[in-house]
Formats: sequence, structure tokens, C-alpha cells
Amino acid sequence: AQTVTQSQPEMSVQEAETVTLSCTYDTSESDYYLFWYKQPPSRQMILVIRQEAYKQQNATENRFSVNFQKAAKSFSLKISDSQLGDAAMYFCAYKTSGTYKYIFGTGTRLKVLA
Amino acid sequence: EAGVTQFPSHSVIEKGQTVTLRCDPISGHDNLYWYRRVMGKEIKFLLHFVKESKQDESGMPNNRFLAERTGGTYSTLKVQPAELEDSGVYFCASSQPGTALEGYTFGSGTRLTVV
Repeated sequence: AQTVTQSQPEMSVQEAETVTLSCTYDTSESDYYLFWYKQPPSRQMILVIRQEAYKQQNATENRFSVNFQKAAKSFSLKISDSQLGDAAMYFCAYKTSGTYKYIFGTGTRLKVLA
Repeated sequence: EAGVTQFPSHSVIEKGQTVTLRCDPISGHDNLYWYRRVMGKEIKFLLHFVKESKQDESGMPNNRFLAERTGGTYSTLKVQPAELEDSGVYFCASSQPGTALEGYTFGSGTRLTVV
């Protein structure tokens, strides 16, 4: 069975600084997707960034980028130039290609300090 | 377009009572999903509808949970009778077929507290 582990329950970062959130996963599949979702307080969860496992190039979306290490089964999220609006719960998620079911981690609460 | 809407946003009920959560997906989205996050734990899959049919309900905890999707539009998740361990945040999400990489559109969740 697939699992996703987020070992940091909470992280803090100073505004304008960079922070990295960790995520590791376990799977025996070769074709899958990885995602980072963000949930601000009392608001809907939104997709931040996604990575297809067959792509070696790390995905980037503006200030958000990932470090995808397939052999190590690691998928960390880097947030550059952190902003107050980045404060949220961040969930790492896995999905096997061709399926519809996400496997989520336990989440990391990110605090951004002014 | 309107997003995925869930209500109520919060519900506090006593053990043994019944609660019904509702989810309105994005119009035209055939796929509808329910997930649950128990405090401090991972978000877990409950079930998946394709239109009005249950495609997979393998994540439903037990027979106290009943999900329906009337006419392939909105969905309800009823818990009867509620137990303390049912407390958590219930998320609904929807998607179009063939959009696996684009992810789902989630609602804001319903926070259920059973006391």
C-alpha cells in the first residue's frame, strides 16, 4: 500500500525568507503523480504544485518549487520569498496514474512571521 | 465559476444524534469525492461517485455512514448515529474525467464535532 509521510507538524518562516517542507512517500508503482495542496484557515484546499513521476525536471510555479528525488522517494516543497498569505496547512499527496484516489500526508502547518 | 460548496461549515452534535453534511460540486463535474481528516492525522478517502453511482466506497468507516448523490448533482453524507470518533473535518471534492494531473477542486470542509 502507498503511504505519504510529512515529518514536520509545524514550521515557521520569516517573511521574505525561504522555507522547505518535507514529504516522503512509499510506493511500488512506477507511474504516479505527486501534489502539494494548501489549505488556508477555514478556506478551501487549493492545488499549489504537481509533479509527474516520469518527469525528471522539478516542477516550479512562481515562488513554489519542488525537489523531486524519485530514487529516494522524496518530494519536498520550497517556498521562496515567503509572504503572510502563505500561512496555511500544506498537504503532500500521491496518486497512482489511472486511479482517482489520493493518499495524503498528515500535513504541515506553516506560520509566516512578520 | 462557483467552487465546491459544503455546508454546514461547522456542526456540533451529541453522541447518538444524526448529522447530514452536504456538498455541491462544480456544475458539470461527474466525479465527486468525500474525504475525512481526523484531528492531527492524514486526510483519508471515504468514497467516490461518478454521477449518481458509487464507484468506490471502500473508505467508508462503517454502516453508520451513508452517502448519496441525488441525480448526479449534490451529495449528502449522513452519519447515524454519530460517535465521538466521527469528529473531524469532512472534505468534498469534484473533478472532470481525464483531469488527473489537474487535481481536484476541494470545498472548505465541514468541521464535525461529536460531544
